[in-house]
Amino acid sequence: DQQVKQNSPSLSVQEGRISILNCDYTNSMFDYFLWYKKYPAEGPTFLISISSIKDKNEDGRFTVFLNKSAKHLSLHIVPSQPGDSAVYFCAAKGGTSYGKLTFGQGTILTVHP
Amino acid sequence: EPEVTQTPSHQVTQMGQEVILRCVPISNHLYFYWYRQILGQKVEFLVSFYNNEISEKSEIFDDQFSVERPDGSNFTLKIRSTKLEDSAMYFCASSEIQGNSPLHFGNGTRLTVT
Repeated sequence: DQQVKQNSPSLSVQEGRISILNCDYTNSMFDYFLWYKKYPAEGPTFLISISSIKDKNEDGRFTVFLNKSAKHLSLHIVPSQPGDSAVYFCAAKGGTSYGKLTFGQGTILTVHP
Repeated sequence: EPEVTQTPSHQVTQMGQEVILRCVPISNHLYFYWYRQILGQKVEFLVSFYNNEISEKSEIFDDQFSVERPDGSNFTLKIRSTKLEDSAMYFCASSEIQGNSPLHFGNGTRLTVT
């Protein structure tokens, strides 16, 4: 199932700088997108979401951008902190399948002090 | 902050045995889900549950799997006769509504089938 893809398996960033995590999707029926953060031995923790009627949503240090024509979304974290080091998953749902999230493979973010 | 709780955190079972994974969703949530993540693979959807019935299930969720809400707080996933390939992290999740509402996940149960 390649409907949601995160092409970068890992990203390394210096503390205080911006982290940009990317996600692409192929299913044009998706209309709600989410980002989750996951630490080892824990479940995914919801970070931020965006509906397809918007192109940007902000929550503190986290901003999600949605480019529907490119079927691309990104998560910006500014400024990055060492505690942000985790696996980040994008997920999407929509169409007739509102209960089902389709996840990307995840990107491991490492923020160096 | 309210959270989804799952028990046990780790379950080891022999092939062919039945297992029941337990979850307590967030109390005012109405929709419940099970997902799983096989080591090295994506998190994948198994089933969604609302109003005491399954609302959607994936191809993975075959006759070996069942879900139940036996009382007002618990939500369970039963695997009738476990196979080696059922070894995975199983995550329970809940949401307030089914539309544009985030799912909140528990910390998972690691199921190891030997």
